[in-house]
Amino acid sequence: NAGVTQTPKFQVLKTGQSMTLQCAQDMNHEYMSWYRQDPGMGLRLIHYSVGAGITDQGEVPNGYNVSRSTTEDFPLRLLSAAPSQTSVYFCASSYTSGRTDTQYFGPGTRLTVL
Amino acid sequence: DQQVKQNSPSLSVQEGRISILNCDYTNSMFDYFLWYKKYPAEGPTFLISISSIKDKNEDGRFTVFLNKSAKHLSLHIVPSQPGDSAVYFCAASVRLYDYKLSFGAGTTVTVRA
Repeated sequence: NAGVTQTPKFQVLKTGQSMTLQCAQDMNHEYMSWYRQDPGMGLRLIHYSVGAGITDQGEVPNGYNVSRSTTEDFPLRLLSAAPSQTSVYFCASSYTSGRTDTQYFGPGTRLTVL
Repeated sequence: DQQVKQNSPSLSVQEGRISILNCDYTNSMFDYFLWYKKYPAEGPTFLISISSIKDKNEDGRFTVFLNKSAKHLSLHIVPSQPGDSAVYFCAASVRLYDYKLSFGAGTTVTVRA
């Protein structure tokens, strides 16, 4: 049971480049979300999804796109990377019928935008 | 504006002693509070939670206290062990089944042998 997996672990981009951060879970969780963690700040919610085909914005959605075509995958797209998007990104998942304490987090992707 | 604040970025404690981590919040709509623990190069893992209808929740060495009137909660770890060295995040949501969590900035705990 792999839980929540994220790829890549590290990525360096130049300003203006695009890329997709991958997130997958094998627990059949309906709910998935993306957070970013910056120094001196807590994790902030970027986008979330309560099921395949349904996505919504979180606290800091600008500059990011998401889609949810399957229950297992929830990729995060940066269309034109900016230095302000340098951060550590965490994906999380849980059952929608469960409690918030059952959110499982992936190991994170450390992104640097030059 | 951060709605959940952890004002102590770091805490150093001797093995066997008590660790006390503090968290304050500003949103009076928050109804459910959680603590997460994070090791380097790993994602946060759930540690303990408390609903606003309670003022204390205990799980082994970990106890969370909630003071709603002061909008303050704390996590007590007794006794502290070397494996407790990690970053601890306080988080809150407006209801139990709200998956949108607001996190504090974290407190790095170092347990000295």
